[in-house]
Amino acid sequence: EVQLVQSGGGLVQPGGSLRLSCAASGFTFSNYWMHWVRQVPGKGLVWVSHIKSDGSYSNYADSVKGRFTISRDNAKNTLYLQMNSLRTEDTAVYYCAGDLIAAAGTHYDYWGQGTQITVSS
Amino acid sequence: DIVMTQSPLSLPVTPGEPASISCRSSQSLLHRDGYNYLDWYLQKPGQSPQFLIYLGSNRASGVPDRFSGSGSGTEFTLKISRVEAEDVGVYYCMQGLQAPFTFGQGTRLEIK
Repeated sequence: EVQLVQSGGGLVQPGGSLRLSCAASGFTFSNYWMHWVRQVPGKGLVWVSHIKSDGSYSNYADSVKGRFTISRDNAKNTLYLQMNSLRTEDTAVYYCAGDLIAAAGTHYDYWGQGTQITVSS
Repeated sequence: DIVMTQSPLSLPVTPGEPASISCRSSQSLLHRDGYNYLDWYLQKPGQSPQFLIYLGSNRASGVPDRFSGSGSGTEFTLKISRVEAEDVGVYYCMQGLQAPFTFGQGTRLEIK
């Protein structure tokens, strides 16, 4: 069974840092692109970042570029999101998502349970 | 960025009746490979989103056949042939053609 189990959320002050983790199991993690998507409570879904299966390529939404870093440890089957210089507008539930389906384009066929990040003084 | 626009934003439906949600993209999602890079997701209350439809019309594994997707280019539709109580939640379309991958605003389906 495919599972994505997230950890690392919480409350942080503006300008602070936090690292999210997403532990994968039930599939060959090193074969697939992975993503982070966020959602302000009561609002819609927003793509944050993605990373290639081998970690050689990543991309970011303009709103987080230069502040967030996506990475992965394929030996540990874990995806990360390092968030620096956090702003109040980064407050959201963050989801990791896996693109496991063998189909053209980008898809999120598996999702983590979500982690709440609150940036507030 | 590709802008995704859904309608309606709220959809009250009587159980057993059909439902339809529209999604429009600001540019064509038809790739030269012939596929439309448009997905549908459902977020049930208090849950993570779940994968419903990919490449415009393909049901994801385990999705009941009362769900169907259609459309091409910039106009897409998600149809539920007979709504059940468990279908309540917010439906999102998403373009998987190019980063930033963008979602529609969401359509909240509720039971009358």
